[in-house]
Amino acid sequence: QVQLQESGPGLLKPSQTLSLTCTVSGGSISSGAYYWSWIRQHPGKGLEWIGYIYYSGNTHYNPSLKSRVTISVDTSNKQFSLRLSSVTAADTAVYYCARTYTGSYSSVFDNWGLGTLVTVSS
Amino acid sequence: DIQMTQSPSSVSASVGDRVTITCRASQGISSWLAWYQQKPGKAPKLLIYSASSLESGVPSRFSGSGSGTDFTLTISSLQPEDFATYYCQQANRFPFTFGPGTKVDIK
Repeated sequence: QVQLQESGPGLLKPSQTLSLTCTVSGGSISSGAYYWSWIRQHPGKGLEWIGYIYYSGNTHYNPSLKSRVTISVDTSNKQFSLRLSSVTAADTAVYYCARTYTGSYSSVFDNWGLGTLVTVSS
Repeated sequence: DIQMTQSPSSVSASVGDRVTITCRASQGISSWLAWYQQKPGKAPKLLIYSASSLESGVPSRFSGSGSGTDFTLTISSLQPEDFATYYCQQANRFPFTFGPGTKVDIK
């Protein structure tokens, strides 16, 4: 069973860059069936898809964050990463990485990391 | 963006009750809809994909239906472990978007 684990700083100051890494274990990050997503959840709120990456490096981002987001992949270390620049308090959230299966009538998040809380505060 | 709405926003129910949650998309999404369950402090868990297909390992008391703009998630006989928040998600168009959630709590 594939497992995902987020890692990175939990506290940032406004204007800094958020950097998180997701490590994949128990499966291949280079499997053609899957994309690799970042999703966030503001405290007590719903879920927001940030974007995803294919093992080849192809990406797709949420337009609401596109100007500040970069997702990259390191297949040799089975990791993919999120960078979000110029953070503000509005970026305070739990950040999840998730495996994304894309098939017939489905692009779904079928495996998730535990999530990591990132707080932006001066 | 495709906007997803859910009703009710919360429901109080008892063990053994039948619970139905509705999800509506702001435009037609065919069957590109999934349902997730989230418990406090945990990551969401995939329950249903392609509107009506049960994810492996998910109990058969969960079922999904609908297409186009209107969808439902039904729990046929609520169990203690089902008290949670449920989200729908569309994958018909980028960006993928989620509904605001429906909290199922104990009556």
